[in-house]
Amino acid sequence: GDSVTQMEGPVTLSEEAFLTINCTYTATGYPSLFWYVQYPGEGLQLLLKATKADDKGSNKGFEATYRKETTSFHLEKGSVQVSDSAVYFCAHLYNFNKFYFGSGTKLNVKP
Amino acid sequence: DAGVTQSPTHLIKTRGQQVTLRCSPKSGHDTVSWYQQALGQGPQFIFQYYEEEERQRGNFPDRFSGHQFPNYSSELNVNALLLGDSALYLCASIRQGALRTDTQYFGPGTRLTVL
Repeated sequence: GDSVTQMEGPVTLSEEAFLTINCTYTATGYPSLFWYVQYPGEGLQLLLKATKADDKGSNKGFEATYRKETTSFHLEKGSVQVSDSAVYFCAHLYNFNKFYFGSGTKLNVKP
Repeated sequence: DAGVTQSPTHLIKTRGQQVTLRCSPKSGHDTVSWYQQALGQGPQFIFQYYEEEERQRGNFPDRFSGHQFPNYSSELNVNALLLGDSALYLCASIRQGALRTDTQYFGPGTRLTVL
C-alpha cells in the first residue's frame, strides 16, 4: 500500500552546515509530494511541494526534487540556521485528497 | 483571513469518556479532513467531510465519528476513550474544486490527553 519512509532523527547540525533529510515513497500512480515543518507546540506548515516528476520545490532556502525513478523526494538546505530547528515531515497526497505522512525527522541546529 | 481554527487547544479526559473536537475551515473552503498525530509519529488520516457527508475514511474504529455543518465547520467525536487516543488532532481544509491545484491548510491542532 501507499507509504512514506524518511530518515530517523534526530539530526544534529552546526549552524551553516549542509542539510539532507532522505524521503522515499510507495504510491499508486504519480502523487504530489510535500515537505511540512512542525515547530514545537504548533501545527503543520507547508514548506514546499512538487506535483510531477523532475519538479523542484523550493522555499526559504530549502529544496527537494521529485525523482520518479528512485521514488524519492529528499530535502536539502545549503546552510541551516538555529531557527530551522523543528520536525520535518515528508508526505504524499493520494488521489488529491488524503495525505500519507512519514514519521518525521527532528532537526536540531546548534549555534 | 483567520485560516483554519480548532478548539479547544488542550483537553484532558479519562478513559471511557467521550470527547468532541471542533474545526472551522479557512474562508472559502468546503472540505475538511481530520488527522491523528501520536507523539513522535506522523499524522494519520481519520476521515474527510464534504457536503456534510463522510467521503473517505482511514483505518480508524467506529468510535471515531464526525459531522460537518452547513457552514462547513466540522466536529470530530471520539467515544469510549482509550489511553492510546492521546494525540494531537489536526484539521485540514481545502476547497473541493481546487483539490488538484491548491494545497490543504492545517490548523494548529487540539492536544488530547487521556488519563
